Amino acid sequence: DAGITQSPRHKVTETGTPVTLRCHQTENHRYMYWYRQDPGHGLRLIHYSYGVKDTDKGEVSDGYSVSRSKTEDFLLTLESATSSQTSVYFCANSPRENTEAFFGQGTRLTVV
Amino acid sequence: TQLLEQSPQFLSIQEGENLTVYCNSSSVFSSLQWYRQEPGEGPVLLVTVVTGGEVKKLKRLTFQFGDARKDSSLHITAAQPGDTGLYLCAGVPGTYKYIFGTGTRLKVLA
Repeated sequence: DAGITQSPRHKVTETGTPVTLRCHQTENHRYMYWYRQDPGHGLRLIHYSYGVKDTDKGEVSDGYSVSRSKTEDFLLTLESATSSQTSVYFCANSPRENTEAFFGQGTRLTVV
Repeated sequence: TQLLEQSPQFLSIQEGENLTVYCNSSSVFSSLQWYRQEPGEGPVLLVTVVTGGEVKKLKRLTFQFGDARKDSSLHITAAQPGDTGLYLCAGVPGTYKYIFGTGTRLKVLA
């Protein structure tokens, strides 16, 4: 168990507001990821991090930014939430790149 | 373009039946993982396969990696209601980043 904690678990927000989702790991894994999961699309990578202050874009990064100021924390920010960003967001970590990932329990975000 | 195709998308079977789920790509994978996800939870890693032709068993679950490392299958023997969930394959096809298939949603009826 890689000890991923996501907060909040549920959030409802209004269109146009900024939202930050938090991911905390108790392990010292170098790689951390943010995914969104939507019906018919599966899990899609938003952003990932390969170290403190080292991040890169995934396949659906528009409208999202991330920060990693400490090994254990990886933040996902929706700069101005839109209804299309209503989704379930998962954080994951991994000790090595492009291999097994360990997931948190997810954050269900609804943008109204 | 879907780099990782899973089939079937949905499967509803009776307890005790056998089933096979497939994960296919046109690209070669260096390794491939299978996960199971239950409602309200994140995916949980079941297995990693690395070598072409490799077969791994996890109780009633048998995982096989294709000889060319472009496909994989998951076979469940004598399915039980506890096997219900979303099964996902994942890996790095060619030079792409780590991606997930769209999943197979399995429901096992008692």
